[in-house]
Amino acid sequence: TQLLEQSPQFLSIQEGENLTVYCNSSSVFSSLQWYRQEPGEGPVLLVTVVTGGEVKKLKRLTFQFGDARKDSSLHITAAQPGDTGLYLCAGEAYTGKLIFGQGTTLQVKP
Amino acid sequence: DAGVIQSPRHEVTEMGQEVTLRCKPISGHDYLFWYRQTMMRGLELLIYFNNNVPIDDSGMPEDRFSAKMPNASFSTLKIQPSEPRDSAVYFCASSSGLAGVAKNIQYFGAGTRLSVL
Repeated sequence: TQLLEQSPQFLSIQEGENLTVYCNSSSVFSSLQWYRQEPGEGPVLLVTVVTGGEVKKLKRLTFQFGDARKDSSLHITAAQPGDTGLYLCAGEAYTGKLIFGQGTTLQVKP
Repeated sequence: DAGVIQSPRHEVTEMGQEVTLRCKPISGHDYLFWYRQTMMRGLELLIYFNNNVPIDDSGMPEDRFSAKMPNASFSTLKIQPSEPRDSAVYFCASSSGLAGVAKNIQYFGAGTRLSVL
Protein backbone atom coordinates (compact mmCIF):
# COMPACT_ATOMS: atom_id res chain seq x y z
CA THR A 1 0.00 0.00 0.00
CA GLN A 2 1.36 3.40 -0.97
CA LEU A 3 1.33 5.94 1.83
CA LEU A 4 2.23 9.60 2.05
CA GLU A 5 3.27 11.16 5.33
CA GLN A 6 2.98 14.88 5.74
CA SER A 7 4.70 16.94 8.39
CA PRO A 8 4.07 18.90 10.38
CA GLN A 9 0.37 18.21 10.93
CA PHE A 10 -0.24 21.64 12.45
CA LEU A 11 1.65 24.89 12.08
CA SER A 12 0.87 28.25 13.66
CA ILE A 13 3.14 31.12 12.71
CA GLN A 14 3.23 34.91 12.59
CA GLU A 15 2.75 36.89 9.43
CA GLY A 16 6.04 37.36 7.62
CA GLU A 17 7.65 34.10 8.73
CA ASN A 18 8.82 31.38 6.36
CA LEU A 19 7.71 27.74 6.59
CA THR A 20 8.23 24.39 4.91
CA VAL A 21 5.82 21.46 4.70
CA TYR A 22 7.14 18.01 3.88
CA CYS A 23 5.54 15.08 2.12
CA ASN A 24 7.39 11.75 2.30
CA SER A 25 6.87 8.22 1.07
CA SER A 26 8.80 5.02 0.53
CA SER A 27 7.01 4.64 -2.80
CA VAL A 28 7.74 6.23 -6.14
CA PHE A 29 5.02 8.36 -7.67
CA SER A 30 4.66 9.42 -11.29
CA SER A 31 3.74 12.91 -10.16
CA LEU A 32 2.99 14.82 -6.99
CA GLN A 33 0.22 17.33 -6.57
CA TRP A 34 -0.29 19.98 -3.90
CA TYR A 35 -3.77 21.16 -2.94
CA ARG A 36 -5.07 23.85 -0.64
CA GLN A 37 -8.39 23.43 1.15
CA GLU A 38 -10.32 26.14 2.97
CA PRO A 39 -12.98 25.44 5.62
CA GLY A 40 -16.23 24.27 4.10
CA GLU A 41 -14.73 23.84 0.65
CA GLY A 42 -13.12 21.13 -1.39
CA PRO A 43 -9.39 20.95 -2.16
CA VAL A 44 -8.13 23.13 -4.98
CA LEU A 45 -5.05 22.17 -6.97
CA LEU A 46 -2.06 24.48 -6.58
CA VAL A 47 0.58 22.71 -8.63
CA THR A 48 1.70 19.40 -10.15
CA VAL A 49 5.35 18.37 -10.20
CA VAL A 50 6.31 15.56 -12.53
CA THR A 51 10.07 15.29 -12.98
CA GLY A 52 12.49 14.23 -10.23
CA GLY A 53 14.23 17.33 -8.88
CA GLU A 54 11.65 19.66 -10.42
CA VAL A 55 11.07 23.01 -8.73
CA LYS A 56 8.01 25.14 -9.40
CA LYS A 57 7.21 28.56 -8.02
CA LEU A 58 3.81 30.10 -7.53
CA LYS A 59 4.34 33.64 -6.20
CA ARG A 60 5.60 33.10 -2.63
CA LEU A 61 5.15 29.32 -2.78
CA THR A 62 7.97 27.04 -3.94
CA PHE A 63 7.31 23.35 -4.63
CA GLN A 64 10.01 20.74 -5.08
CA PHE A 65 9.82 17.10 -6.14
CA GLY A 66 12.55 14.85 -4.78
CA ASP A 67 15.10 13.39 -7.17
CA ALA A 68 13.78 9.87 -6.56
CA ARG A 69 10.15 11.02 -6.91
CA LYS A 70 9.34 9.75 -3.41
CA ASP A 71 9.07 13.05 -1.56
CA SER A 72 8.14 16.67 -2.00
CA SER A 73 8.21 19.95 -0.12
CA LEU A 74 6.25 23.16 -0.09
CA HIS A 75 8.01 26.30 1.07
CA ILE A 76 6.15 29.53 1.75
CA THR A 77 8.10 32.76 2.01
CA ALA A 78 6.81 35.65 4.10
CA ALA A 79 3.53 33.94 4.98
CA GLN A 80 0.37 36.04 5.04
CA PRO A 81 -2.96 35.48 6.82
CA GLY A 82 -4.48 34.66 3.44
CA ASP A 83 -2.23 31.57 3.29
CA THR A 84 -4.15 30.02 6.20
CA GLY A 85 -5.71 26.69 5.28
CA LEU A 86 -5.19 22.95 4.95
CA TYR A 87 -2.40 21.94 2.57
CA LEU A 88 -2.59 18.46 1.07
CA CYS A 89 -0.06 16.60 -0.98
CA ALA A 90 -1.23 13.82 -3.28
CA GLY A 91 0.92 11.28 -5.03
CA GLU A 92 -0.21 9.93 -8.34
CA ALA A 93 0.14 6.18 -8.44
CA TYR A 94 0.91 4.51 -11.76
CA THR A 95 -2.74 3.50 -11.92
CA GLY A 96 -3.64 7.18 -12.07
CA LYS A 97 -5.23 7.18 -8.62
CA LEU A 98 -4.27 9.88 -6.15
CA ILE A 99 -2.96 8.96 -2.69
CA PHE A 100 -3.42 11.87 -0.29
CA GLY A 101 -1.33 12.78 2.71
CA GLN A 102 -3.02 13.59 6.02
CA GLY A 103 -2.62 17.31 5.44
CA THR A 104 -0.95 20.22 7.18
CA THR A 105 -3.16 22.79 8.87
CA LEU A 106 -1.50 26.19 8.59
CA GLN A 107 -2.55 29.20 10.62
CA VAL A 108 -0.88 32.53 9.88
CA LYS A 109 -1.55 35.13 12.56
CA PRO A 110 -1.51 38.83 11.66
CA ASP B 1 -19.54 26.15 -15.61
CA ALA B 2 -20.75 26.06 -12.00
CA GLY B 3 -18.19 23.46 -11.02
CA VAL B 4 -18.90 20.19 -9.26
CA ILE B 5 -22.17 20.42 -7.38
CA GLN B 6 -22.89 18.28 -4.35
CA SER B 7 -26.06 17.99 -2.32
CA PRO B 8 -26.97 18.19 0.42
CA ARG B 9 -24.21 20.29 2.03
CA HIS B 10 -25.07 18.94 5.44
CA GLU B 11 -26.88 15.78 6.46
CA VAL B 12 -27.76 14.70 9.98
CA THR B 13 -29.34 11.31 10.37
CA GLU B 14 -29.84 8.59 12.91
CA MET B 15 -28.01 5.32 12.98
CA GLY B 16 -29.69 2.73 10.77
CA GLN B 17 -31.17 5.22 8.32
CA GLU B 18 -30.39 5.28 4.62
CA VAL B 19 -28.35 8.22 3.38
CA THR B 20 -28.00 9.31 -0.24
CA LEU B 21 -25.40 11.83 -1.35
CA ARG B 22 -25.61 13.40 -4.77
CA CYS B 23 -23.11 14.81 -7.22
CA LYS B 24 -23.25 16.63 -10.53
CA PRO B 25 -19.84 16.65 -12.24
CA ILE B 26 -18.52 19.32 -14.55
CA SER B 27 -20.01 18.91 -17.99
CA GLY B 28 -17.69 17.08 -20.35
CA HIS B 29 -15.63 15.41 -17.65
CA ASP B 30 -15.28 11.66 -18.13
CA TYR B 31 -14.06 10.76 -14.66
CA LEU B 32 -15.94 11.03 -11.38
CA PHE B 33 -14.45 10.30 -7.98
CA TRP B 34 -15.98 9.88 -4.51
CA TYR B 35 -13.74 10.62 -1.51
CA ARG B 36 -14.24 10.58 2.24
CA GLN B 37 -12.37 12.93 4.56
CA THR B 38 -11.91 12.41 8.30
CA MET B 39 -9.46 13.78 10.83
CA MET B 40 -8.11 10.30 11.52
CA ARG B 41 -7.71 8.98 8.00
CA GLY B 42 -7.47 12.12 5.89
CA LEU B 43 -8.85 12.08 2.33
CA GLU B 44 -9.54 8.58 1.01
CA LEU B 45 -10.69 7.54 -2.45
CA LEU B 46 -13.81 5.39 -2.22
CA ILE B 47 -14.64 4.71 -5.86
CA TYR B 48 -14.21 6.24 -9.29
CA PHE B 49 -16.09 6.03 -12.56
CA ASN B 50 -15.00 6.46 -16.16
CA ASN B 51 -17.74 7.17 -18.69
CA ASN B 52 -20.35 6.21 -16.07
CA VAL B 53 -18.75 2.79 -15.44
CA PRO B 54 -17.27 1.99 -12.01
CA ILE B 55 -13.57 1.28 -12.51
CA ASP B 56 -12.18 0.87 -9.02
CA ASP B 57 -14.29 0.44 -5.89
CA SER B 58 -11.53 -0.99 -3.73
CA GLY B 59 -11.83 1.95 -1.35
CA MET B 60 -15.48 1.34 -0.52
CA PRO B 61 -15.39 0.39 3.16
CA GLU B 62 -18.06 -2.31 3.15
CA ASP B 63 -21.25 -3.54 1.56
CA ARG B 64 -23.27 -0.83 3.27
CA PHE B 65 -21.79 1.61 0.75
CA SER B 66 -22.85 1.69 -2.88
CA ALA B 67 -22.38 4.18 -5.70
CA LYS B 68 -24.07 4.61 -9.03
CA MET B 69 -23.68 6.83 -12.06
CA PRO B 70 -26.81 6.45 -14.20
CA ASN B 71 -25.69 9.14 -16.65
CA ALA B 72 -22.82 11.51 -17.35
CA SER B 73 -24.29 14.31 -15.26
CA PHE B 74 -25.31 12.54 -12.05
CA SER B 75 -23.90 10.19 -9.44
CA THR B 76 -25.05 9.01 -6.03
CA LEU B 77 -23.30 7.51 -3.03
CA LYS B 78 -25.62 5.58 -0.75
CA ILE B 79 -25.04 4.30 2.75
CA GLN B 80 -27.56 1.77 4.06
CA PRO B 81 -27.74 1.32 6.98
CA SER B 82 -25.70 4.25 8.25
CA GLU B 83 -23.52 4.02 11.36
CA PRO B 84 -21.92 6.71 13.57
CA ARG B 85 -18.47 5.80 12.22
CA ASP B 86 -19.63 6.89 8.76
CA SER B 87 -19.65 10.50 9.98
CA ALA B 88 -17.27 12.40 7.72
CA VAL B 89 -17.14 14.90 4.87
CA TYR B 90 -17.79 13.22 1.54
CA PHE B 91 -16.37 14.85 -1.58
CA CYS B 92 -17.13 14.30 -5.20
CA ALA B 93 -14.56 15.30 -7.82
CA SER B 94 -14.46 15.16 -11.59
CA SER B 95 -11.77 15.39 -14.23
CA SER B 96 -11.37 15.05 -17.98
CA GLY B 97 -8.73 12.35 -17.53
CA LEU B 98 -6.58 10.54 -15.05
CA ALA B 99 -3.60 12.61 -14.05
CA GLY B 100 -1.19 9.98 -15.34
CA VAL B 101 -2.65 10.07 -18.80
CA ALA B 102 -3.34 13.69 -19.49
CA LYS B 103 -2.07 15.53 -16.41
CA ASN B 104 -5.61 16.64 -15.84
CA ILE B 105 -6.88 18.30 -12.74
CA GLN B 106 -9.44 16.90 -10.34
CA TYR B 107 -12.07 19.51 -9.48
CA PHE B 108 -13.70 18.97 -6.12
CA GLY B 109 -17.18 19.88 -4.98
CA ALA B 110 -17.75 21.65 -1.68
CA GLY B 111 -18.54 18.36 0.05
CA THR B 112 -21.37 16.91 2.12
CA ARG B 113 -20.83 16.89 5.87
CA LEU B 114 -22.54 13.77 7.21
CA SER B 115 -23.31 13.27 10.87
CA VAL B 116 -24.77 9.95 11.94
CA LEU B 117 -26.11 10.07 15.48
